[in-house]
Amino acid sequence: QKEVEQNSGPLSVPEGAIASLNCTYSDRGSQSFFWYRQYSGKSPELIMSIYSNGDKEDGRFTAQLNKASQYVSLLIRDSQPSDSATYLCAVRPNQAGTALIFGKGTTLSVSS
Amino acid sequence: DAGITQSPRHKVTETGTPVTLRCHQTENHRYMYWYRQDPGHGLRLIHYSYGVKDTDKGEVSDGYSVSRSKTEDFLLTLESATSSQTSVYFCAISDESRGRTEAFFGQGTRLTVV
Repeated sequence: QKEVEQNSGPLSVPEGAIASLNCTYSDRGSQSFFWYRQYSGKSPELIMSIYSNGDKEDGRFTAQLNKASQYVSLLIRDSQPSDSATYLCAVRPNQAGTALIFGKGTTLSVSS
Repeated sequence: DAGITQSPRHKVTETGTPVTLRCHQTENHRYMYWYRQDPGHGLRLIHYSYGVKDTDKGEVSDGYSVSRSKTEDFLLTLESATSSQTSVYFCAISDESRGRTEAFFGQGTRLTVV
């Protein structure tokens, strides 16, 4: 069974620090990787997608992908209290028409 | 927000009754999905559709059926609701064209079965 694993947290960081969120996946053939942010009581919101090895930066967010290690991470620089949320890692297996598989999420708490 | 509307947003129903949740999209995306989200389990796929009248089961499909008669609408039916189906249900859509495989979510439906 294809799996996506994340530490549930909570991960607590002070305002202005770097938050590092990690995710591993079991399907070696996976090609598409995503990070979603979910505030309490709201729906998941896509914040990053990454398809090739290396880093992808978007504002304060950097996604890192290492397919050899089957590892995806999300770095949040200059963390703000508004970043406090649950972050979901999602992976699309390498089969046409398959759905995203989600990790259970990591809860991030940024204290001011 | 992507043009995805779920209805109803909240529903309380009795055990044994049928319930239908609706997902409507205005993006003309080919793929539509139903997930449920429960504490400790994360998001789990119930059913998905890859075109009109084309559907397939997900990880937790028992007790659920779906229908897609138009590109824009994907219905999820709980044939006989049970308390274990109390959950938050999310619809998602994706395009899959030009290598874009991101999925976008609706606002969710909170269903309580009493």
